[in-house]
Amino acid sequence: DIVMTQSPDSLAVSLGERATINCKSSQSVFYSSNNKNQLGWYQQKPGQPPKLLIYGASTRESGVPDRFSGSGSGTDFTLTISSLQAEDVAVYYCQQYYSIPRTFGQGTKVEIK
Amino acid sequence: EVHLVESGGGLVQPGGSLRLSCAASGFTFSDHYMDWVRQAPGEGLEWVGRIKNKAKSYITEYAASVKGRFTISRDDSQNSVFLQMNSLRTEDTAVYFCARDSSSGAYFPNWGQGSLVTVSS
Repeated sequence: DIVMTQSPDSLAVSLGERATINCKSSQSVFYSSNNKNQLGWYQQKPGQPPKLLIYGASTRESGVPDRFSGSGSGTDFTLTISSLQAEDVAVYYCQQYYSIPRTFGQGTKVEIK
Repeated sequence: EVHLVESGGGLVQPGGSLRLSCAASGFTFSDHYMDWVRQAPGEGLEWVGRIKNKAKSYITEYAASVKGRFTISRDDSQNSVFLQMNSLRTEDTAVYFCARDSSSGAYFPNWGQGSLVTVSS
């Protein structure tokens, strides 16, 4: 199984400041057949299901604000919130879809400082 | 608009069984793979398994933690997917989400609100 490890487990950022979450996979999730990294990012607010933010490591899902961006390739990935808003308080998960079983990182809790 | 609604959760004793349903609307259900993902109280997300579409012979795949105890099925005529859970353990206590696979059968653009399953004596 591919193990996904996120860092940090939690972070507190001031409103308007940048938040950066890292995700590392235990093996490469780059799929050469389509030249894409098989990596997604989700946001989950309390009492709600996860919401897809990013797929293919860097492609924003429709309707996701452009302050959210994803980067990285191979085994190392980053989710960046360029200017944190109050509504961004949530837990963020990375997920690999390179292989079965699908696996998620342990989550990173983002709070307001 | 895509809509996924789970039902069937509740309290069950260890060793018991429960069947969850997920009713889908707003997309061509028969085209898509469908997955189940669970979340234990206060914990992270765990993929449970998936069922492919008719073109892929309705093949099912499962997490090791549930293989042999859980069975995923679907009824394309009813736009529904099911999770039959047998031999339930206390560690199966979780909110169970159904999720629609992307067209490429990969990530999860759409999720239901979840159904709570509590396994306790």
